[in-house]
Amino acid sequence: GQQVMQIPQYQHVQEGEDFTTYCNSSTTLSNIQWYKQRPGGHPVFLIQLVKSGEVKKQKRLTFQFGEAKKNSSLHITATQTTDVGTYFCAGPHSGGSNYKLTFGKGTLLTVNP
Amino acid sequence: ETGVTQTPRHLVMGMTNKKSLKCEQHLGHNAMYWYKQSAKKPLELMFVYNFKEQTENNSVPSRFSPECPNSSHLFLHLHTLQPEDSALYLCASSFIGGILESGYTFGSGTRLTVV
Repeated sequence: GQQVMQIPQYQHVQEGEDFTTYCNSSTTLSNIQWYKQRPGGHPVFLIQLVKSGEVKKQKRLTFQFGEAKKNSSLHITATQTTDVGTYFCAGPHSGGSNYKLTFGKGTLLTVNP
Repeated sequence: ETGVTQTPRHLVMGMTNKKSLKCEQHLGHNAMYWYKQSAKKPLELMFVYNFKEQTENNSVPSRFSPECPNSSHLFLHLHTLQPEDSALYLCASSFIGGILESGYTFGSGTRLTVV
């Protein structure tokens, strides 16, 4: 079945340092989504990427979808303590529709103030 | 408030109990989901309802029984659970179909402990 792998599993940074998490799918994806889950909270949708090679920015966050649509990355510039949480990528099951997502295990980001 | 409301937030139940988790969304979404989140495991899709019709049952044990009476409400009925079923159970909804397809909106989850 489809697998979505994320690395690293954990990342600890000093406040102000940059952070990147990587997502790789065993199959080509029609789109990829990113979610953030704060400690003790629930996943919150951040963004969806659809086009090959697409790059989107949200303030200090930069999301990229690979040319082959099998990998993606999330980069945070100059991390802040508010960035703490687990970042998940997710891709649709085969068939293309959003409505059955496979999630990666997530990358837990901790930030030392 | 996310627009997806789950109750209860916390639940402790014995292995012989029967309980139900409730999920409600007022976002006009047409698909609803149950996910299980355990420590050190990816989010596991349990059930999917698309326009009130169940379209996915990911080999979930029969001690979990979903119910979707309408497109705004989703239940997960629990009976004779095992301690390994202790986890965070997340409900989510989304809009599917055409250009309006969206990411999931998750509820706050029910933290279930089976004793």
